[in-house]
Amino acid sequence: QQQVKQSPQSLIVQKGGISIINCAYENTAFDYFPWYQQFPGKGPALLIAIRPDVSEKKEGRFTISFNKSAKQFSLHIMDSQPGDSATYFCAARIDRGSTLGRLYFGRGTQLTVWP
Amino acid sequence: NAGVTQTPKFQVLKTGQSMTLQCAQDMNHNSMYWYRQDPGMGLRLIYYSASEGTTDKGEVPNGYNVSRLNKREFSLRLESAAPSQTSVYFCASRGEGRDGYTFGSGTRLTVV
Repeated sequence: QQQVKQSPQSLIVQKGGISIINCAYENTAFDYFPWYQQFPGKGPALLIAIRPDVSEKKEGRFTISFNKSAKQFSLHIMDSQPGDSATYFCAARIDRGSTLGRLYFGRGTQLTVWP
Repeated sequence: NAGVTQTPKFQVLKTGQSMTLQCAQDMNHNSMYWYRQDPGMGLRLIYYSASEGTTDKGEVPNGYNVSRLNKREFSLRLESAAPSQTSVYFCASRGEGRDGYTFGSGTRLTVV
């Protein structure tokens, strides 16, 4: 059972455009929602993260929007650049009890930014 | 550089062979994790260790065993490799009270 559902599977955006990746979850016990960025041949790296007590977090060109009532969150990449071409994973974590620290990942979105 | 080191980077096994994937971190992190990554499937947790001396099953533990040798090292063993275990394996660690995982660069395993 997929705990975190991510869409789209692939995304092609022109340089300077906005990239939007969406994720949804069901388990209301999740209390931390990170996004990871992965370049070919490398391990995923933490990009930006949010907790459910805020609706938006912005770091440079990257913004997470969080809708607690809809159980959805999304990553927006403004002014997308060819160097942003990578695979992006959303994730969610329950930080209590026996599942302490476990991350549940979405299936990933392969982003290609055309110059 | 501080981080998570995985060895080997590439490996080809024949069906039925065994091998151990090694992972070591030098950040004094308590928690360590093994994930496998398959196309279109994201990252799925195989086993994890919340602290030295403890291990727990994740989503896809069948066919694998782990050992938390000490605080630094967390190894993943395939006792009898199967083609279905062809994948990229990532080790990760997390410090107490910290949010983010630090991932290694992965081991690409092919079972023929």
